Amino acid sequence: RKEVEQDPGPFNVPEGATVAFNCTYSNSASQSFFWYRQDCRKEPKLLMSVYSSGNEDGRFTAQLNRASQYISLLIRDSKLSDSATYLCVVNPPYSGAGSYQLTFGKGTKLSVIP
Amino acid sequence: NAGVTQTPKFRILKIGQSMTLQCAQDMNHNYMYWYRQDPGMGLKLIYYSVGAGITDKGEVPNGYNVSRSTTEDFPLRLELAAPSQTSVYFCASSYSTDLGGYTFGSGTRLTVV
Repeated sequence: RKEVEQDPGPFNVPEGATVAFNCTYSNSASQSFFWYRQDCRKEPKLLMSVYSSGNEDGRFTAQLNRASQYISLLIRDSKLSDSATYLCVVNPPYSGAGSYQLTFGKGTKLSVIP
Repeated sequence: NAGVTQTPKFRILKIGQSMTLQCAQDMNHNYMYWYRQDPGMGLKLIYYSVGAGITDKGEVPNGYNVSRSTTEDFPLRLELAAPSQTSVYFCASSYSTDLGGYTFGSGTRLTVV
């Protein structure tokens, strides 16, 4: 099982639609979780952290399910500007040298269509 | 604050040439990282550093070298460039991987011909 797995998409959705992405991770002791956004030919940028209690930031809601080892990102009322690749990112547990790094998924591509 | 600054933004190298990709951060972050991203692919870690004077290999270190003489700077050296090193290179830094993740630079697009 890969460390972090995402459906690569693409997800093509009309403006105003609700879309959800899931991501699974292999290490049950992983400590923290994030969603990053990467626009075409740009650097990844932190979108939001994911907390056990779930968290919401405007139209974006992130959830964590530790029992099933997945995190999700829900985007409501999709805008054209939401078109990007969304990267699922996991902070694995400390295990000595080499642990100070996040594990990135390959991303899910979203295209919002007019 | 400038965040993470990478130079150059674009570069074309001939096979066998060498170059240094520069990365500087002004956030006093201890942790710094170099990634490469091939078209349509995910990020692959090349090297990372947990503080000045300390570096370690990532997933794909062959053909690269790094140094970390100061907290601010983390240059990546390519020796004997090969076409397989054509990629986009991102530098990132973090205070702690637990708190807020990474800040990335805008990337260097390298083509080796």
